[in-house]
Amino acid sequence: GQSLEQPSEVTAVEGAIVQINCTYQTSGFYGLSWYQQHDGGAPTFLSYNALDGLEETGRFSSFLSRSDSYGYLLLQELQMKDSASYFCAVRALGGKLIFGQGTELSVKP
Amino acid sequence: ETGVTQSPTHLIKTRGQQVTLRCSSQSGHNTVSWYQQALGQGPQFIFQYYREEENGRGNFPPRFSGLQFPNYSSELNVNALELDDSALYLCASSLMEATEAFFGQGTRLTVV
Repeated sequence: GQSLEQPSEVTAVEGAIVQINCTYQTSGFYGLSWYQQHDGGAPTFLSYNALDGLEETGRFSSFLSRSDSYGYLLLQELQMKDSASYFCAVRALGGKLIFGQGTELSVKP
Repeated sequence: ETGVTQSPTHLIKTRGQQVTLRCSSQSGHNTVSWYQQALGQGPQFIFQYYREEENGRGNFPPRFSGLQFPNYSSELNVNALELDDSALYLCASSLMEATEAFFGQGTRLTVV
């Protein structure tokens, strides 16, 4: 089967750093993506890891370990606008995305 | 703004009816995928179209069908609606080998 596990909720304060973990079990793995979704709107792409290691894009970084079937999204210098749902998604054959259940991040003042 | 537009934004249908949802892909994108997102859940892959041909399907029954047109716009059709079909339906466009998919705002379907 195919499954992804990520925490359902995370709470942090403004200015802090938060890490959202994702473990996966899928066939046909091509890479791990992260998407942000505000209040049921359009998911927006944050990052993608095809190879092991860390990818950094501004305040957001993403890490992948293929041998451990594990990745994480690191958000630094948290802002109130970062409050949203974050989804890890395995990119499978043909580019289809298999999403996790999502992590709701609440940023408090 | 991703350039992917979906219509309608909201829709209410009765159980047993049929519905057609539409998606206009971002310019230049040849691949469109449809996802169903129930409240509080992650998007679930329905199917993907590449150059007007179905190119992968998730675990959805045949009453979920689709089309992709020569201009790469797309439709999702659902027959014999069930209450559990109530969800946000998302369309995503991309290039076939691209790592980033661009999502529309979705159509919120309510089946009563």
